[in-house]
Amino acid sequence: DGGITQSPKYLFRKEGQNVTLSCEQNLNHDAMYWYRQDPGQGLRLIYYSQIVNDFQKGDIAEGYSVSREKKESFPLTVTSAQKNPTAFYLCASSRGLAAQETQYFGPGTRLLVL
Amino acid sequence: RKEVEQDPGPFNVPEGATVAFNCTYSNSASQSFFWYRQDCRKEPKLLMSVYSSGNEDGRFTAQLNRASQYISLLIRDSKLSDSATYLCVVKRSGGYQKVTFGTGTKLQVIP
Repeated sequence: DGGITQSPKYLFRKEGQNVTLSCEQNLNHDAMYWYRQDPGQGLRLIYYSQIVNDFQKGDIAEGYSVSREKKESFPLTVTSAQKNPTAFYLCASSRGLAAQETQYFGPGTRLLVL
Repeated sequence: RKEVEQDPGPFNVPEGATVAFNCTYSNSASQSFFWYRQDCRKEPKLLMSVYSSGNEDGRFTAQLNRASQYISLLIRDSKLSDSATYLCVVKRSGGYQKVTFGTGTKLQVIP
């Protein structure tokens, strides 16, 4: 079955620690995205990538980094510079960046700070 | 003013009722519109795209009003399983894709 997988489902971060969230898709989609969801707020775009080896900052990129070495994979690193990392992180993909393209989401990772 | 606004609800409706949600957007350059459904602590899932002519999928009807800059979602014959948060999504192109999610409207269908 085609889809998007994210791991882990829950992740705990200690102060000063960098953590990496995994996102893999087998939909053969070119575009991939990372969003953050906080209670009472809409999803906010962290980073997006249109093609391999290319990615762009979204609205709230500070304290995060990404890579896109393979079409299928778009890992997100939450660095120690992100002072309020507790949130629900959602990875998404779409065939392309055109406005009419539908985004499909992975099951998400909940990040909690110890 | 927020780019996309939704009434957060909750909308508490009895089974079998008809319920409608609106979503207003502020950017007239917006091109594509979607409704997503999100269950508690789960990822959003596409419910339907919204076309200029309006579109229907079973009990769900979506409408777009470009003049007044809003989209709507109508749910007929509500089921208990319709209980969820409904997210409005507005997209525009140009340079880089801009996708804006509403904060969602919570629906609770009561037996």
